[in-house]
Parts: sequence; C-alpha cells; structure tokens
Amino acid sequence: QSALTQPASVSGSPGQSITISCTGTSSDIGGYDYVSWYQRHPGKAPQLIIYHVTNRPSGVSDRFSGSKSGNTASLTISGLQAEDEADYFCTSYTNINTLVVFGGGTKLTVL
Amino acid sequence: EVQLVESGGGLVQPGGSLRLSCSASGFTFSNYAMHWVRQAPGKGLEYVSAITGPGGDTYYADSLKGRFTISRDNSKNTLYLQMSSLRPEDTAVYYCVKGSSLVNFDYWGQGTLVTVSS
Repeated sequence: QSALTQPASVSGSPGQSITISCTGTSSDIGGYDYVSWYQRHPGKAPQLIIYHVTNRPSGVSDRFSGSKSGNTASLTISGLQAEDEADYFCTSYTNINTLVVFGGGTKLTVL
Repeated sequence: EVQLVESGGGLVQPGGSLRLSCSASGFTFSNYAMHWVRQAPGKGLEYVSAITGPGGDTYYADSLKGRFTISRDNSKNTLYLQMSSLRPEDTAVYYCVKGSSLVNFDYWGQGTLVTVSS
C-alpha cells in the first residue's frame, strides 16, 4: 500500500479536463509544499511535470497544473489530448525518515 | 546527455546479499543527490533510498533501514546499493534516479531486476 493515495484510474474525452488527486497526511503533503507529479508512458522513464505543488519545468505544457488543499494535492490536465494517456504519480517530501513518499499511480485513459 | 546505467541485479536466495551499481555520465555527479526507487511486479513505485551529492547524508525507507546501504564514489561517478538479508518481497526492478533536488527526480535509469527466490 502506497503512502500517498491516488485513484487507480481516471478517464476523459479529448478536449476535456480531468483532475487526479493525491492524498497524504500532515507529515507530507499537508505540511510542506514539496509535491511533485510525474508522467510515465509505458516502457518509458517518468517525466517530471509539476514540482513544488504548482511549478512546471521548462518545456512542460501549460495544460498541466497543480494545486494543494490541506492534505490533498491535485493534478489537472486541461484540453486532454491522446498523447496524455499515461500513468501519473505523485510524490511528496515527508518529515518521517524516508524523505520522499510515492503515490500508487493513476492510469489516465483518453477515450 | 545524462545516462544512468544500473547493473548487479539477478537471482538471489532469501537471506542473501546483492550490490547494485549505477554508472552515471553526462553531468557533474558530485553536485547532485542520487536515489534508488523500486517497482515490484504489478505494483507502484516505492522509494528506497537517497544520498546527498557529497555523500554526507543518507535516507532510507523505514521498512528497509538496517538491511540496505546506499553509498557513492564521486571519483568513479558511481552510485551503489548494498542489499542484505533479502526477502522475496524485495523482488523488484530497481531504478537509479538523479535528483534535480533532494526531493525531485529528473533522470531515471532503465532499471535492473532483482529476484529473491529459492
């Protein structure tokens, strides 16, 4: 069981917006603004798409956005495209010895 | 171009030991934190361990502490993970990951499979 809880799957049609949640505790998401999101296509290495809750690395589409409320972080993808179909997982800094905790991952299907 | 190449995986019996290596190139290795992350068959990614650039600080998943040891040789641009008292539940693909910071990851290796079975 992963430390951070994500829905196993979400889906949406091209052009729509979807949101993926990532729920933790006050020891991780709720206590710090060190939430990151990664996109992972099958057989490929994960790509960082959001860091420090809301920031996008250079080159990442502005269709990806992040937010946080309490112990839950969210990734929103607007204007869904077929290429967005992938697995998405969140991570967070934790003040428990581990340093970083992972979400279980969410499979996004573009219908 | 950043490259991370893991080696050392394989089949090991329960209770055995294994040392993974990760050869890094394409960046100033000593300047960056490095991490090990694993993925068991059919499961999500799990954080294993991290080490700061100079190597002075190390971090471990609570469930692994005492059995795994992370280290690095900055003169050889190589990251290591010494694993002992291995259990079947340690079976996974182990990824070497470069940190863009201590808590973010920007480059991943292709992974090396560790299978713990009798």
